[in-house]
Amino acid sequence: DAGITQSPRHKVTETGTPVTLRCHQTENHRYMYWYRQDPGHGLRLIHYSYGVKDTDKGEVSDGYSVSRSKTEDFLLTLESATSSQTSVYFCAISDPESSYEQYFGPGTRLTVT
Amino acid sequence: DQQVKQNSPSLSVQEGRISILNCDYTNSMFDYFLWYKKYPAEGPTFLISISSIKDKNEDGRFTVFLNKSAKHLSLHIVPSQPGDSAVYFCAAESGGSYIPTFGRGTSLIVHP
Repeated sequence: DAGITQSPRHKVTETGTPVTLRCHQTENHRYMYWYRQDPGHGLRLIHYSYGVKDTDKGEVSDGYSVSRSKTEDFLLTLESATSSQTSVYFCAISDPESSYEQYFGPGTRLTVT
Repeated sequence: DQQVKQNSPSLSVQEGRISILNCDYTNSMFDYFLWYKKYPAEGPTFLISISSIKDKNEDGRFTVFLNKSAKHLSLHIVPSQPGDSAVYFCAAESGGSYIPTFGRGTSLIVHP
């Protein structure tokens, strides 16, 4: 299995509070991604990174920001959490030099009350 | 607009029979297609892929067929096993973007 972890695995927070989710990889893969999974919507891309300090928006980036200061870490921040951001968040990594496939982390279940 | 569509939210199959999961796409620039499998409370895992230069790729019990003219691909699982019960996501990429577009998934249930 690819070495990819997410923390925390579960979090309950209140509306309006900031939240940061962390993705950590030990594979030295260049690309990292943040997705959210919601019933009826599948996996939707929030942001992705193609290198240290190189990030770009996905299809559902509003209300989210990211940072990547090291190859191994990709942080997702909800500046002011809303109930619509209650979801399961998955981090993924890929190594385009070798294959197209992505490796996913175990997910973070976030509940905003 | 959905560029990758999995029109069947769920599929129920008897153990030992064939499971066929379908996926349609609208973007003719997609040239690489992947299937992922997801169990509850776990992240998706890569299952099988196919390039647009091929029309079939096989890996054990899993075969993916690509019909470019119809913009359609399908995943065949033969024979189906109870452990195959999971959500299956179809994904498509274009031009080495390394940014896949996912379908909404099909929940497969294989009954013993």
